[in-house]
This record gives sequence, structure tokens and C-alpha cells, in this order.
Amino acid sequence: NAGVTQTPKFQVLKTGQSMTLQCAQDMNHNSMYWYRQDPGMGLRLIYYSASEGTTDKGEVPNGYNVSRLNKREFSLRLESAAPSQTSVYFCASSQVQGEAFFGQGTRLTVV
Amino acid sequence: KQEVTQIPAALSVPEGENLVLNCSFTDSAIYNLQWFRQDPGKGLTSLLLIQSSQREQTSGRLNASLDKSSGRSTLYIAASQPGDSATYLCAVTTTDSWGKLQFGAGTQVVVTP
Repeated sequence: NAGVTQTPKFQVLKTGQSMTLQCAQDMNHNSMYWYRQDPGMGLRLIYYSASEGTTDKGEVPNGYNVSRLNKREFSLRLESAAPSQTSVYFCASSQVQGEAFFGQGTRLTVV
Repeated sequence: KQEVTQIPAALSVPEGENLVLNCSFTDSAIYNLQWFRQDPGKGLTSLLLIQSSQREQTSGRLNASLDKSSGRSTLYIAASQPGDSATYLCAVTTTDSWGKLQFGAGTQVVVTP
């Protein structure tokens, strides 16, 4: 049982480049989330999808877009990467208000 | 706005001692509270979920209590082992948050042999 799978695990981008972080869950959860984790700032919510077909902004959405491709998959796109987006990105899923499960993270460096 | 605080930020204990980790939150209108463990360079592993109607939840050597009225939760780890060394995070959801988690900054625990 894979749980929440994120790809890639590591990425280095140049300023201005774009990329998409992929996330898939196999627990039939309705809700999916993208967080970023920064030293001294903790984990902060970027975007979430309460159910298939809906997406909403979280605490730090600027510079990001998301797509809920289907019930299993929720992607995060950086259109024009900036050094401030250097971070560790985590995808999570849950049933609404249920136990949340996290992926292993994507470590992104923007130079 | 809900704020979650974990004190202390770091803790070192000798093997065999019981661990007590604290989490406080400012808005008592929570839906649930979840404790996670994070190893260096890894993702978050869910340890325990406590619903707002519950007072405590237990799993093996772990016991978490919840006092909504005072805005506090405590995670107890009995008979600590070096393998318990990690960062422990607590997070809460509120009734209107659609499962969005508000995290504390975590407590970094080192258990020395």
C-alpha cells in the first residue's frame, strides 16, 4: 500500500524555470493538500482540494497553481520559479476532517 | 486566527525516561488534533489522531491527551528509546477548515543511550 506518492524527490531549478510537482494517493481520500516546510516557518498550506473538481487557496498561494486531475492526483505547478520558493514541498491527503497522511516530500532548490 | 505552539523547541532525555511533549492552541473550536513524527529529511508520519470529543488516544507506548477548554494537548512516550529521536509536530483542524492543518513548529527530541 503506497499511501501518498510524490515525484520528483529532489529538483534544482534556475530562476524563471517552470515545473510541476506530482502527487498521487491510493487511499480513496476526497481531500488533498500541498504544504511547504521552511526552517523557522514550519509547515504552511499552499493550496488544497476538498473534493475532486474543487481547489482553494491556502495561506501562501502566490506563485503557484494547482490541478486536481482526478480523485487520486493533485499537482502543484510553479510557473516561474523564484529563489523564495526554495523549500521542501509535501503533499497530503485525508477524508474530510479525517487523519492526514503525507508523502515523503520534494526538496526543491531554485538558484 | 488559530495559533499552535509547541514548547520546548528541543528536548534531550536519557534512554528509558518518559517523554512529555506539549502542544497548545489558541482557538478551542477545534475539530481534531493530530500528532506527527518527522525524521530528518523525511516526510511526516501520523502517530495519533484525537477527535475533539475525545479526552485521550493510545497506541502502544504513545498516549495523547486533549483538553479543549484549556487549549492543550500532551503526547506521552513511555520508556523512551534512541529510535524515538525525531521531531514531533502537532496540528489542529477547526470545524470550518475542510481538514486544513494548522501546525506547531515542533519539538526536536534526542534520546541518548
